[in-house]
Amino acid sequence: GENVEQHPSTLSVQEGDSAVIKCTYSDSASNYFPWYKQELGKGPQLIIDIRSNVGEKKDQRIAVTLNKTAKHFSLHITETQPEDSAVYFCAASIVGGGADGLTFGKGTHLIIQP
Amino acid sequence: NAGVMQNPRHLVRRRGQEARLRCSPMKGHSHVYWYRQLPEEGLKFMVYLQKENIIDESGMPKERFSAEFPKEGPSILRIQQVVRGDSAAYFCASSPRQGSTFEQFFGPGTRLTVL
Repeated sequence: GENVEQHPSTLSVQEGDSAVIKCTYSDSASNYFPWYKQELGKGPQLIIDIRSNVGEKKDQRIAVTLNKTAKHFSLHITETQPEDSAVYFCAASIVGGGADGLTFGKGTHLIIQP
Repeated sequence: NAGVMQNPRHLVRRRGQEARLRCSPMKGHSHVYWYRQLPEEGLKFMVYLQKENIIDESGMPKERFSAEFPKEGPSILRIQQVVRGDSAAYFCASSPRQGSTFEQFFGPGTRLTVL
């Protein structure tokens, strides 16, 4: 089955700097890659996603890139703010094959230092 | 437009009791997914259901766990004879799963504690 590795497990950056979180996946059939933000005591919130027919997607301060050949994808947050502090999860799935369940990475605890 | 609703938010059970977790999907969503999250870990897929059908249960433990999504009412995740290792946060997600729309939106979770 699919295996998703996520790095780093903890990332501390100064407010205003950029943060990059990286994930790799094992199943070349995976075609959907969402990113979720989870705050303490809450459910994961979808912040951005990318499909295998796209190499990059941007939404304001957040961008995601996908390299299908290398089987890795990354989340980029620019101009970080204190409210960006949370745990971020990457995930992968094969949509359309009847097995849509997401395989998650273990998460990155992002800390924004004021 | 209410989001995914889960109840109860917190559930305490003693070993051997049954736990029932409920999930009401977003309006218009007919696909539900259940995930389990252990402390300091990512979410693990358990089961994927459509109205009255189990589509994929490859992540469900073979014993004590069952799930349903009836024609009317919420989806139910049922854990029989709970053990301490079942203590975790259980999240459900819903999706419209129509055409090119297959994003999963998560509820706030049910935190199960087994004493």
